Amino acid sequence: TQLLEQSPQFLSIQEGENLTVYCNSSSVFSSLQWYRQEPGEGPVLLVTVVTGGEVKKLKRLTFQFGDARKDSSLHITAAQPGDTGLYLCAGERDAGNMLTFGGGTRLMVKP
Amino acid sequence: GAVVSQHPSRVICKSGTSVKIECRSLDFQATTMFWYRQFPKQSLMLMATSNEGSKATYEQGVEKDKFLINHASLTLSTLTVTSAHPEDSSFYICSALGTGGDIQYFGAGTRLSVL
Repeated sequence: TQLLEQSPQFLSIQEGENLTVYCNSSSVFSSLQWYRQEPGEGPVLLVTVVTGGEVKKLKRLTFQFGDARKDSSLHITAAQPGDTGLYLCAGERDAGNMLTFGGGTRLMVKP
Repeated sequence: GAVVSQHPSRVICKSGTSVKIECRSLDFQATTMFWYRQFPKQSLMLMATSNEGSKATYEQGVEKDKFLINHASLTLSTLTVTSAHPEDSSFYICSALGTGGDIQYFGAGTRLSVL
Protein backbone atom coordinates (compact mmCIF):
# COMPACT_ATOMS: atom_id res chain seq x y z
CA THR A 1 0.00 0.00 0.00
CA GLN A 2 1.42 3.35 -1.01
CA LEU A 3 1.65 6.10 1.53
CA LEU A 4 0.29 8.52 -1.03
CA GLU A 5 -2.63 7.32 -3.14
CA GLN A 6 -3.10 9.15 -6.38
CA SER A 7 -6.24 8.98 -8.48
CA PRO A 8 -7.10 8.47 -11.18
CA GLN A 9 -4.16 6.44 -12.45
CA PHE A 10 -5.03 7.14 -16.08
CA LEU A 11 -7.06 9.87 -17.67
CA SER A 12 -7.79 10.45 -21.34
CA ILE A 13 -9.77 13.55 -22.19
CA GLN A 14 -10.51 15.87 -25.07
CA GLU A 15 -8.90 19.27 -25.45
CA GLY A 16 -10.85 21.92 -23.60
CA GLU A 17 -12.15 19.67 -20.84
CA ASN A 18 -11.45 20.19 -17.16
CA LEU A 19 -9.97 17.58 -14.86
CA THR A 20 -8.96 17.02 -11.26
CA VAL A 21 -6.26 14.73 -9.92
CA TYR A 22 -6.31 13.70 -6.28
CA CYS A 23 -3.53 12.80 -3.89
CA ASN A 24 -4.61 11.29 -0.58
CA SER A 25 -2.90 9.97 2.50
CA SER A 26 -3.62 9.06 6.09
CA SER A 27 -0.35 10.74 7.05
CA VAL A 28 0.35 14.41 7.63
CA PHE A 29 2.96 16.06 5.44
CA SER A 30 4.93 19.21 6.15
CA SER A 31 4.75 20.02 2.47
CA LEU A 32 3.45 18.51 -0.72
CA GLN A 33 4.80 18.96 -4.19
CA TRP A 34 3.39 18.34 -7.64
CA TYR A 35 5.57 17.36 -10.56
CA ARG A 36 5.06 16.72 -14.25
CA GLN A 37 7.22 14.15 -15.98
CA GLU A 38 7.53 13.50 -19.69
CA PRO A 39 8.76 10.17 -21.10
CA GLY A 40 12.49 9.70 -20.75
CA GLU A 41 12.97 12.78 -18.60
CA GLY A 42 13.16 13.61 -14.93
CA PRO A 43 10.20 15.14 -13.09
CA VAL A 44 9.83 18.89 -13.18
CA LEU A 45 8.51 20.70 -10.13
CA LEU A 46 5.23 22.54 -10.69
CA VAL A 47 4.40 23.77 -7.21
CA THR A 48 5.00 23.27 -3.50
CA VAL A 49 2.22 23.75 -0.97
CA VAL A 50 3.03 23.99 2.71
CA THR A 51 0.07 25.48 4.56
CA GLY A 52 -3.16 23.60 5.28
CA GLY A 53 -5.93 24.97 3.09
CA GLU A 54 -3.48 26.69 0.76
CA VAL A 55 -4.49 27.25 -2.85
CA LYS A 56 -1.96 28.08 -5.55
CA LYS A 57 -2.62 28.88 -9.15
CA LEU A 58 -0.25 28.41 -12.06
CA LYS A 59 -1.99 29.64 -15.21
CA ARG A 60 -4.66 26.97 -15.87
CA LEU A 61 -3.51 24.76 -13.00
CA THR A 62 -4.94 25.11 -9.50
CA PHE A 63 -3.36 23.28 -6.59
CA GLN A 64 -4.96 22.84 -3.20
CA PHE A 65 -3.55 21.47 0.04
CA GLY A 66 -6.07 19.98 2.43
CA ASP A 67 -6.74 21.66 5.75
CA ALA A 68 -5.24 18.72 7.61
CA ARG A 69 -2.25 18.54 5.25
CA LYS A 70 -3.07 14.95 4.36
CA ASP A 71 -4.37 15.43 0.86
CA SER A 72 -4.03 17.62 -2.18
CA SER A 73 -5.63 18.14 -5.53
CA LEU A 74 -4.59 19.44 -8.92
CA HIS A 75 -7.25 20.93 -11.16
CA ILE A 76 -6.57 21.75 -14.79
CA THR A 77 -8.95 24.04 -16.63
CA ALA A 78 -9.41 23.78 -20.38
CA ALA A 79 -6.80 21.09 -20.85
CA GLN A 80 -4.52 21.28 -23.86
CA PRO A 81 -2.50 18.57 -25.65
CA GLY A 82 0.63 20.12 -24.18
CA ASP A 83 -0.63 19.14 -20.71
CA THR A 84 -0.14 15.47 -21.60
CA GLY A 85 2.26 13.75 -19.24
CA LEU A 86 2.68 11.94 -15.94
CA TYR A 87 1.64 14.00 -12.93
CA LEU A 88 3.18 13.05 -9.63
CA CYS A 89 2.45 14.25 -6.14
CA ALA A 90 5.15 13.90 -3.53
CA GLY A 91 4.93 14.51 0.18
CA GLU A 92 7.67 15.54 2.52
CA ARG A 93 7.50 14.53 6.13
CA ASP A 94 9.39 16.35 8.80
CA ALA A 95 12.69 14.50 8.88
CA GLY A 96 15.38 14.24 6.25
CA ASN A 97 13.76 16.11 3.35
CA MET A 98 12.86 12.76 1.81
CA LEU A 99 10.02 12.72 -0.64
CA THR A 100 7.43 9.99 -0.89
CA PHE A 101 5.88 9.87 -4.32
CA GLY A 102 2.34 8.96 -5.21
CA GLY A 103 1.69 6.40 -7.90
CA GLY A 104 1.22 9.02 -10.58
CA THR A 105 -1.58 10.02 -12.92
CA ARG A 106 -0.97 9.53 -16.60
CA LEU A 107 -2.86 12.23 -18.49
CA MET A 108 -3.52 12.25 -22.20
CA VAL A 109 -5.23 15.23 -23.78
CA LYS A 110 -6.47 14.57 -27.29
CA PRO A 111 -6.74 17.43 -29.79
CA GLY B 1 17.19 27.91 -11.57
CA ALA B 2 19.30 25.12 -10.13
CA VAL B 3 20.47 22.54 -12.64
CA VAL B 4 21.24 18.90 -12.05
CA SER B 5 23.03 16.98 -14.75
CA GLN B 6 22.84 13.22 -15.00
CA HIS B 7 25.13 11.14 -17.20
CA PRO B 8 24.79 9.03 -19.20
CA SER B 9 21.21 9.51 -20.34
CA ARG B 10 21.08 6.00 -21.68
CA VAL B 11 23.26 2.94 -21.27
CA ILE B 12 23.05 -0.59 -22.61
CA CYS B 13 25.25 -3.21 -21.05
CA LYS B 14 25.75 -6.94 -20.90
CA SER B 15 24.62 -8.97 -17.93
CA GLY B 16 27.32 -9.20 -15.28
CA THR B 17 28.99 -5.88 -16.03
CA SER B 18 28.98 -2.80 -13.80
CA VAL B 19 27.58 0.57 -14.77
CA LYS B 20 28.31 3.94 -13.20
CA ILE B 21 25.84 6.81 -13.30
CA GLU B 22 26.88 10.34 -12.39
CA CYS B 23 24.75 13.06 -10.87
CA ARG B 24 26.14 16.58 -10.76
CA SER B 25 24.76 19.79 -9.35
CA LEU B 26 26.00 22.37 -11.85
CA ASP B 27 25.44 25.70 -10.15
CA PHE B 28 25.04 24.89 -6.49
CA GLN B 29 26.51 22.67 -3.83
CA ALA B 30 24.48 19.75 -2.61
CA THR B 31 25.36 17.99 0.60
CA THR B 32 22.42 15.66 0.04
CA MET B 33 21.43 13.88 -3.11
CA PHE B 34 18.84 11.19 -3.66
CA TRP B 35 18.69 8.23 -6.03
CA TYR B 36 15.38 6.93 -7.34
CA ARG B 37 14.36 4.06 -9.57
CA GLN B 38 11.35 4.14 -11.82
CA PHE B 39 9.98 1.09 -13.60
CA PRO B 40 7.83 1.56 -16.72
CA LYS B 41 4.52 3.22 -16.04
CA GLN B 42 5.25 3.38 -12.34
CA SER B 43 6.15 6.14 -9.95
CA LEU B 44 9.55 6.98 -8.48
CA MET B 45 10.81 4.81 -5.66
CA LEU B 46 13.52 6.16 -3.41
CA MET B 47 16.55 3.88 -3.35
CA ALA B 48 18.96 5.77 -1.15
CA THR B 49 19.98 9.10 0.30
CA SER B 50 23.50 10.16 -0.54
CA ASN B 51 25.30 12.40 1.93
CA GLU B 52 28.57 14.12 1.05
CA GLY B 53 31.45 12.67 3.00
CA SER B 54 29.51 9.89 4.66
CA LYS B 55 27.86 6.59 3.88
CA ALA B 56 24.63 6.54 1.96
CA THR B 57 21.39 5.59 3.67
CA TYR B 58 19.57 2.86 1.80
CA GLU B 59 15.85 2.22 1.78
CA GLN B 60 14.52 -1.12 2.89
CA GLY B 61 14.95 -3.79 0.26
CA VAL B 62 17.73 -2.02 -1.65
CA GLU B 63 21.01 -3.94 -1.65
CA LYS B 64 23.82 -1.59 -0.69
CA ASP B 65 26.47 -3.95 -2.09
CA LYS B 66 24.76 -4.02 -5.45
CA PHE B 67 24.01 -0.31 -5.73
CA LEU B 68 27.18 1.46 -4.65
CA ILE B 69 26.82 5.15 -3.93
CA ASN B 70 29.70 7.57 -3.61
CA HIS B 71 29.24 11.24 -2.77
CA ALA B 72 32.82 12.41 -2.66
CA SER B 73 32.25 16.08 -3.39
CA LEU B 74 29.57 18.69 -2.89
CA THR B 75 28.62 18.58 -6.55
CA LEU B 76 28.90 14.92 -7.51
CA SER B 77 27.24 11.69 -6.47
CA THR B 78 27.67 8.43 -8.35
CA LEU B 79 25.58 5.29 -8.41
CA THR B 80 27.29 2.11 -9.56
CA VAL B 81 25.12 -0.85 -10.44
CA THR B 82 27.41 -3.81 -9.88
CA SER B 83 27.04 -7.09 -11.74
CA ALA B 84 23.97 -5.82 -13.50
CA HIS B 85 21.22 -8.24 -14.49
CA PRO B 86 18.21 -7.78 -16.76
CA GLU B 87 15.95 -7.19 -13.76
CA ASP B 88 18.05 -4.11 -12.95
CA SER B 89 16.89 -2.53 -16.20
CA SER B 90 15.06 0.62 -15.18
CA PHE B 91 15.04 4.40 -15.29
CA TYR B 92 17.34 5.78 -12.59
CA ILE B 93 16.84 9.38 -11.49
CA CYS B 94 18.88 11.47 -9.11
CA SER B 95 17.98 14.66 -7.33
CA ALA B 96 19.97 17.18 -5.36
CA LEU B 97 18.76 19.14 -2.38
CA GLY B 98 19.06 22.85 -3.00
CA THR B 99 20.98 25.20 -0.76
CA GLY B 100 17.76 26.24 0.95
CA GLY B 101 17.32 22.63 1.96
CA ASP B 102 13.70 22.51 0.92
CA ILE B 103 13.59 21.75 -2.80
CA GLN B 104 14.90 18.74 -4.68
CA TYR B 105 16.14 19.41 -8.18
CA PHE B 106 15.92 16.40 -10.44
CA GLY B 107 18.24 15.13 -13.12
CA ALA B 108 16.91 14.02 -16.49
CA GLY B 109 17.35 10.36 -15.64
CA THR B 110 19.38 7.44 -16.97
CA ARG B 111 17.73 4.60 -18.79
CA LEU B 112 19.64 1.38 -18.09
CA SER B 113 19.05 -1.64 -20.27
CA VAL B 114 20.81 -4.85 -19.29
CA LEU B 115 20.92 -7.50 -21.98
